[in-house]
Amino acid sequence: GAVVSQHPSWVICKSGTSVKIECRSLDFQATTMFWYRQFPKQSLMLMATSNEGSKATYEQGVEKDKFLINHASLTLSTLTVTSAHPEDSSFYICSARGTGASYNEQFFGPGTRLTVL
Amino acid sequence: GNSVTQMEGPVTLSEEAFLTINCTYTATGYPSLFWYVQYPGEGLQLLLKATKADDKGSNKGFEATYRKETTSFHLEKGSVQVSDSAVYFCALEERTGANSKLTFGKGITLSVRP
Repeated sequence: GAVVSQHPSWVICKSGTSVKIECRSLDFQATTMFWYRQFPKQSLMLMATSNEGSKATYEQGVEKDKFLINHASLTLSTLTVTSAHPEDSSFYICSARGTGASYNEQFFGPGTRLTVL
Repeated sequence: GNSVTQMEGPVTLSEEAFLTINCTYTATGYPSLFWYVQYPGEGLQLLLKATKADDKGSNKGFEATYRKETTSFHLEKGSVQVSDSAVYFCALEERTGANSKLTFGKGITLSVRP
């Protein structure tokens, strides 16, 4: 149990285009989802926290108009990188947390590698 | 703010060797401490955790003790296996009400040779 998937696992896009990454909790309801960014040889940096049905809370320094987060259902959150540029190239990881003793921790997806040309 | 510092890697060991991965933290409150493991091609998985001082987390032969006096949470295993090869992340979590935030160290790659 407690499986989180991400799609796509990798994506290459041209500068100026937008890219959408999906994060799904497959076997539990995720009341909270988190989006992280990881640079090579660096730690995971929290970008934003989203609760189902409400607006995401962004960490300081993260542009909310650049990284659009939608958490419309208890099993799906999306991250859209708008007008992507090469400096947005990174590894994006989501996690999800449910309720109850069995799911009251963060379960992580496998990540999405974004390369912007 | 909160921070987690892990020893520099990578680490390469022979099978059955003793493993220690150092982790120290800085926090304003009383965080919970975690070790996560990431196997190749997979997402992070919780390896073990400790929620208060002097607690010992353990799983799959790995252990770590929450040391408040030294602000440390070092990971140890008495005899590593090839299957332990992975990236290990130390992390802390502080909760304020219903909100929580994980702060991660940089991670360290462990390679175990047969």
